[in-house]
Amino acid sequence: EPEVTQTPSHQVTQMGQEVILRCVPISNHLYFYWYRQILGQKVEFLVSFYNNEISEKSEIFDDQFSVERPDGSNFTLKIRSTKLEDSAMYFCASSEGYFRGRLANEKLFFGSGTQLSVL
Amino acid sequence: AQRVTQPEKLLSVFKGAPVELKCNYSYSGSPELFWYVQYSRQRLQLLLRHISRESIKGFTADLNKGETSFHLKKPFAQEEDSAMYYCALRHSGGSNYKLTFGKGTLLTVNP
Repeated sequence: EPEVTQTPSHQVTQMGQEVILRCVPISNHLYFYWYRQILGQKVEFLVSFYNNEISEKSEIFDDQFSVERPDGSNFTLKIRSTKLEDSAMYFCASSEGYFRGRLANEKLFFGSGTQLSVL
Repeated sequence: AQRVTQPEKLLSVFKGAPVELKCNYSYSGSPELFWYVQYSRQRLQLLLRHISRESIKGFTADLNKGETSFHLKKPFAQEEDSAMYYCALRHSGGSNYKLTFGKGTLLTVNP
């Protein structure tokens, strides 16, 4: 089965530094997402991305966050100036979405996550 | 506001015993409910969804709109069922997978 891949698996950074988390969604998928999970808390939606623009974002996704699809395969999450509270597991996900006017496959595929530690 | 509640953080049963993982939701629209599972050192993956009315790995879940519940059940637990289980609600409209997750229940099946 195809997989969503994320790199790196662990990222340690200093507070105030910029980080970029990388994801390669499944190739024929149209919707891309970032979720995060702070240790001991629930998985939270950050942002969804479709047709090269953000389709929805949560209140967590403030101006420090941005997403980009720089080429045909990668999908990145950038945190401009990291804070201690940004430490979390960040999950990328993708879904096939609508294809030729119908919902082709109702399934969300998750990557294995990037553990971000802000010191 | 939408909310998903999984009241049990931890659930421990013996192999062969029935298991029920509870999930309650709060949502003003027409909900779409899912169970996701995360086995040790593996990624989050879809276990089942209410619209499919399917049984996966012996698990079933029925959406009860009157009680706003979507409990996950299995009549005879196996050791390989030990994992973290998350109930999730999908916000209606479009094909966007904006999910609200519960906090998860860690199921341990003892031999």
